[in-house]
Amino acid sequence: DAKTTQPPSMDCAEGRAANLPCNHSTISGNEYVYWYRQIHSQGPQYIIHGLKNNETNEMASLIITEDRKSSTLILPHATLRDTAVYYCIVRPDNAGNMLTFGGGTRLMVKP
Amino acid sequence: EPEVTQTPSHQVTQMGQEVILRCVPISNHLYFYWYRQILGQKVEFLVSFYNNEISEKSEIFDDQFSVERPDGSNFTLKIRSTKLEDSAMYFCASSRTSGGPYEQYFGPGTRLTVT
Repeated sequence: DAKTTQPPSMDCAEGRAANLPCNHSTISGNEYVYWYRQIHSQGPQYIIHGLKNNETNEMASLIITEDRKSSTLILPHATLRDTAVYYCIVRPDNAGNMLTFGGGTRLMVKP
Repeated sequence: EPEVTQTPSHQVTQMGQEVILRCVPISNHLYFYWYRQILGQKVEFLVSFYNNEISEKSEIFDDQFSVERPDGSNFTLKIRSTKLEDSAMYFCASSRTSGGPYEQYFGPGTRLTVT
């Protein structure tokens, strides 16, 4: 079972920041927070991951609380193409570990 | 940018028939995975594969499923005797085995329809 809790859906206006929350209160010390997204029925796409420090890449920023029990994925300027299901997953950062997908958050970016 | 490819994009088969789904992982990746997603449901892990053997599998991956890396580039999932409930999107993924990070890169999927 997924170890994370996410709201089932969110809306965001195009051009605004999308802030997607995730609760992972039972996260272990060696587990990272990963974010993936799935656009329509395409294959899941890796976005970003982190352990305890905030992370930023060309797609998004990841803010992890100091106690690591929750995190927020930030899409700074959402576009219509960011409409997708976003999954927050916790797992060790080791080769070969499976991904356990929950229900995710369905983000709808509106014009 | 390197990507995982899958063929065919859509496979229709009759119940009881064997199907083989094919994947070409990213070339310098050595860990391979299969996941499936039944319409409207979650993405589910099936199996992971490394060094020519299964490293982990889920309860879904029963005796009717098998995986193989027949050559240096392809990775296949075989379903021996398909059932109606095998209808789903099947995703292949690959990841690095050393040096990190170990994010998994997914292919576009094969839609399997069993009639």
